[in-house]
Amino acid sequence: SQQGEEDPQALSIQEGENATMNCSYKTSINNLQWYRQNSGRGLVHLILIRSNEREKHSGRLRVTLDTSKKSSSLLITASRAADTASYFCATPSSQFYFGTGTSLTVIP
Amino acid sequence: GAGVSQSPSNKVTEKGKDVELRCDPISGHTALYWYRQRLGQGLEFLIYFQGNSAPDKSGLPSDRFSAERTGESVSTLTIQRTQQEDSAVYLCASSLDSFNQPQHFGDGTRLSIL
Repeated sequence: SQQGEEDPQALSIQEGENATMNCSYKTSINNLQWYRQNSGRGLVHLILIRSNEREKHSGRLRVTLDTSKKSSSLLITASRAADTASYFCATPSSQFYFGTGTSLTVIP
Repeated sequence: GAGVSQSPSNKVTEKGKDVELRCDPISGHTALYWYRQRLGQGLEFLIYFQGNSAPDKSGLPSDRFSAERTGESVSTLTIQRTQQEDSAVYLCASSLDSFNQPQHFGDGTRLSIL
């Protein structure tokens, strides 16, 4: 069964707005990772947050982790058309579960 | 440096044929993964190789699927007697060591079974 589940499944925003995606998971984790997938391409690693961290930043990305609620969020600030992609959370285990993804469309 | 390379990028074959997909991981990465992604869906774990340990094959959907890896280099995923439901993109990824490290993905092989 899937470990990570993202919501919303799809999100459409105007360029310059912020985009927030959420991820819920079921079991305890060592870390949680976010990936981006552009159409027709493989996944690209964005950011890793460890279980003892609550927030992490990377450029326009901000990730939070709440282990008590078994949830994480990815915030993309000042979105650009190039941010249009699918975003996945992943909770590493021996089977490395990925969620079903959030499809983000940024309208120029 | 070079990233993860997969070949072929596209493969069209008739139902019942065998196919072999290839993955060249990043040099020095001991962990290698295969996933299947159906159109518009998330990633489905297939198999995980870690160094010289026995691979985790628990995600392989049937005995028609098998994978091998030569040392810490090339891996091949073989699908025998292909079925139409095998049509998907097959993604390979590698990471420095354990599954707790970020994975680096190839662009996949798009497999179409006629």
